[in-house]
Amino acid sequence: RKEVEQDPGPFNVPEGATVAFNCTYSNSASQSFFWYRQDCRKEPKLLMSVYSSGNEDGRFTAQLNRASQYISLLIRDSKLSDSATYLCVVIGALNRDDKIIFGKGTRLHILP
Amino acid sequence: DAGITQSPRHKVTETGTPVTLRCHQTENHRYMYWYRQDPGHGLRLIHYSYGVKDTDKGEVSDGYSVSRSKTEDFLLTLESATSSQTSVYFCAISEDTGELFFGEGSRLTVL
Repeated sequence: RKEVEQDPGPFNVPEGATVAFNCTYSNSASQSFFWYRQDCRKEPKLLMSVYSSGNEDGRFTAQLNRASQYISLLIRDSKLSDSATYLCVVIGALNRDDKIIFGKGTRLHILP
Repeated sequence: DAGITQSPRHKVTETGTPVTLRCHQTENHRYMYWYRQDPGHGLRLIHYSYGVKDTDKGEVSDGYSVSRSKTEDFLLTLESATSSQTSVYFCAISEDTGELFFGEGSRLTVL
């Protein structure tokens, strides 16, 4: 099993729809989880942290399922501007190089 | 946005020449990283630093060296560039929260 896995997509979703994607991780001792967004030919930018209790930021909801070892990102009422690649990041021990693991990303296309 | 700049943003060079990429931060963050991003591979860590003169290797460090003589600057050097090092290079910074802030990237082409 790969350390962090994401469905590469692309997810083609009509504007206004709800879309969700998951990220699985193999290290059960992982401590911190994040979602990043990366636009084409741009740098990744932090979208949101993922807390054990789940968290919501506007149209975005992130959840952590430790038992099944995955995190999820839900986007409601999707906008054209949500089109991007979404990267999950799993950190085992804070700021150790071999513990910051990036997924390869899930591409999302919002269709007008 | 975090104060992090990379230079140069674009560079074309020839095989065998040395190349240095610079990452400069104004946030006084302790940790600095160099990643490369290639299609099909995602982000891969080259080297990282956890303080002035404290650096360590990442998963793809062969052919690269780094230096950090000041908190704000982290240099990545390709001693003798090869075509396989054509890539987009991202610098990132973080504190103990684990959240990474990335520079805008340096696009390197080795002919």
